[in-house]
Amino acid sequence: GENVEQHPSTLSVQEGDSAVIKCTYSDSASNYFPWYKQELGKGPQLIIDIRSNVGEKKDQRIAVTLNKTAKHFSLHITETQPEDSAVYFCLSGGSNYKLTFGKGTLLTVNP
Amino acid sequence: EAQVTQNPRYLITVTGKKLTVTCSQNMNHEYMSWYRQDPGLGLRQIYYSMNVEVTDKGDVPEGYKVSRKEKRNFPLILESPSPNQTSLYFCASSLVEVRYNEQFFGPGTRLTVL
Repeated sequence: GENVEQHPSTLSVQEGDSAVIKCTYSDSASNYFPWYKQELGKGPQLIIDIRSNVGEKKDQRIAVTLNKTAKHFSLHITETQPEDSAVYFCLSGGSNYKLTFGKGTLLTVNP
Repeated sequence: EAQVTQNPRYLITVTGKKLTVTCSQNMNHEYMSWYRQDPGLGLRQIYYSMNVEVTDKGDVPEGYKVSRKEKRNFPLILESPSPNQTSLYFCASSLVEVRYNEQFFGPGTRLTVL
């Protein structure tokens, strides 16, 4: 099955700094790479996604980059704010309908 | 409002006492899935369903059952719960091509098995 590795598991930054979270995947047939944000006490929610036909996608302060050759994709958050503090998960669907999430990254933004 | 609902939100039970966690979605999604979330292990898929009467195992199906008799509902059944099933459970739904579409998650059910 698909193997997804996510790093780092915890990340602490100062408000205004940038944060980068990286995921690597194993199934070369994967074509869709979403990132989910989970706030305390809530279910995960999609914040950005990318399909394999593009290398980068931006939405205000967040961006996702994809390197299909190296099989990794990254979440970039610029000008971090305290409300960015949450757990972030990457997901790789692979070639079937069984889905594998990364183990998550706890991001803490210190005021 | 488009949403996925789960009940109950919190449950404390004892070993061996059968329980069901319900999940319902109002978005007419074909794909539904159950996950458990444990510290350090992230979200692991238990079972998924691609449509009515079509279910399949995820990565951690042992000790769980599911059914999909109606499109909107996807209950998770623990016939004989054990303490290692203490966890936070999430239901999610999506369009059938989940490999290319957003999943919508419920609010979670925190289960404690004593």
